[in-house]
Amino acid sequence: DQQVKQNSPSLSVQEGRISILNCDYTNSMFDYFLWYKKYPAEGPTFLISISSIKDKNEDGRFTVFLNKSAKHLSLHIVPSQPGDSAVYFCAASGNYGGSQGNLIFGKGTKLSVKP
Amino acid sequence: DAGITQSPRYKITETGRQVTLMCHQTWSHSYMFWYRQDLGHGLRLIYYSAAADITDKGEVPDGYVVSRSKTENFPLTLESATRSQTSVYFCASSEYRTGAGSEAFFGQGTRLTVV
Repeated sequence: DQQVKQNSPSLSVQEGRISILNCDYTNSMFDYFLWYKKYPAEGPTFLISISSIKDKNEDGRFTVFLNKSAKHLSLHIVPSQPGDSAVYFCAASGNYGGSQGNLIFGKGTKLSVKP
Repeated sequence: DAGITQSPRYKITETGRQVTLMCHQTWSHSYMFWYRQDLGHGLRLIYYSAAADITDKGEVPDGYVVSRSKTENFPLTLESATRSQTSVYFCASSEYRTGAGSEAFFGQGTRLTVV
């Protein structure tokens, strides 16, 4: 049973426009959420995170929004650049009874930013 | 150089052989992880370690063995390789298990092919 879902395997966006990557989760005990970016033949790199006590976190062109009631988070990239073309993974963790507390990853969304 | 390194980057082995993937980190992070990435599955946790001599199973541990005699090293051994273990393997480390500071830093990956 997937606890972290990225329902869009791919997304194509024009350079300069906004990219919105979505992620849904099922476990209400998750309290920390992260986004990773992965280029081919490289390891994932940490991009941005958000704690469940916040609903928004911004870092330059990247903003993550968290909607706890909907169990949904999104990553906004504005403006999108060709160098943003990569696979983006959503991940979640929680420190609750029975949990190992480890990150649980979604399957990823491949973003293509076209010049 | 500071960081997390994996070796080898590429490995081809035969079914039934034992193979060990190496992972070394220079940050003195307490937590280390092994993930595998497969098409359609995203990143799945194999084993993790909270400190030297403390290891525990993740989501897909069968067929794998780990050890952690030193904080900086976390080798992953496939005792008798099978074709289903053909995958890209990522090692990662983090300072904490959950919350801020739990952002995992990944190595470049090892592409393992079992023939």
